[in-house]
Amino acid sequence: EPEVTQTPSHQVTQMGQEVILRCVPISNHLYFYWYRQILGQKVEFLVSFYNNEISEKSEIFDDQFSVERPDGSNFTLKIRSTKLEDSAMYFCASSERLGTEAFFGQGTRLTVV
Amino acid sequence: AQSVAQPEDQVNVAEGNPLTVKCTYSVSGNPYLFWYVQYPNRGLQFLLKYITGDNLVKGSYGFEAEFNKSQTSFHLKKPSALVSDSALYFCAVRRYNTDKLIFGTGTRLQVFP
Repeated sequence: EPEVTQTPSHQVTQMGQEVILRCVPISNHLYFYWYRQILGQKVEFLVSFYNNEISEKSEIFDDQFSVERPDGSNFTLKIRSTKLEDSAMYFCASSERLGTEAFFGQGTRLTVV
Repeated sequence: AQSVAQPEDQVNVAEGNPLTVKCTYSVSGNPYLFWYVQYPNRGLQFLLKYITGDNLVKGSYGFEAEFNKSQTSFHLKKPSALVSDSALYFCAVRRYNTDKLIFGTGTRLQVFP
């Protein structure tokens, strides 16, 4: 069964450092997403990406964040200068088309120290 | 504004008994409604969705949910709970013309043998 894969599973980084979280969405999917879940809190939408551009983003997704699809398979989330409050589980997801269910990866736990 | 409410932080049920996990939503226009399950240290797994049509939708692992437009609810149900159903359950809503999922705060289901 096809699945969304994320690497690494856990990333520890120093405050102020840049971090890149990587995702391989399901191959025939066209819509890609990043969500995050701060420990003990709800899952929050960050950004959606379609046709090589951002289609929607939340207030959380400020200038410190960027997304890229550098090739035909990977989808990345970059945080330029990490803050302590960026510590969270980051989930990548993809869906076949708008309105269909999103399939989530297993997440990357980011810890900023 | 879109929102999802899951009024119960935890639901306890004995194995073999029916279970219900409650969800209400607020969204303008026609909603797309979803249930996801999260097992410890795992990503979000899609269970079922309501887009249109029959108000009772069936999903994975014997789960079903009933869409009630007048009560703006989408409760998750299962006729006979299993210990292995113990997990964190999230209800989510998407407005028909947007990408992002809005999640509830989650309900922890504990099934006792």
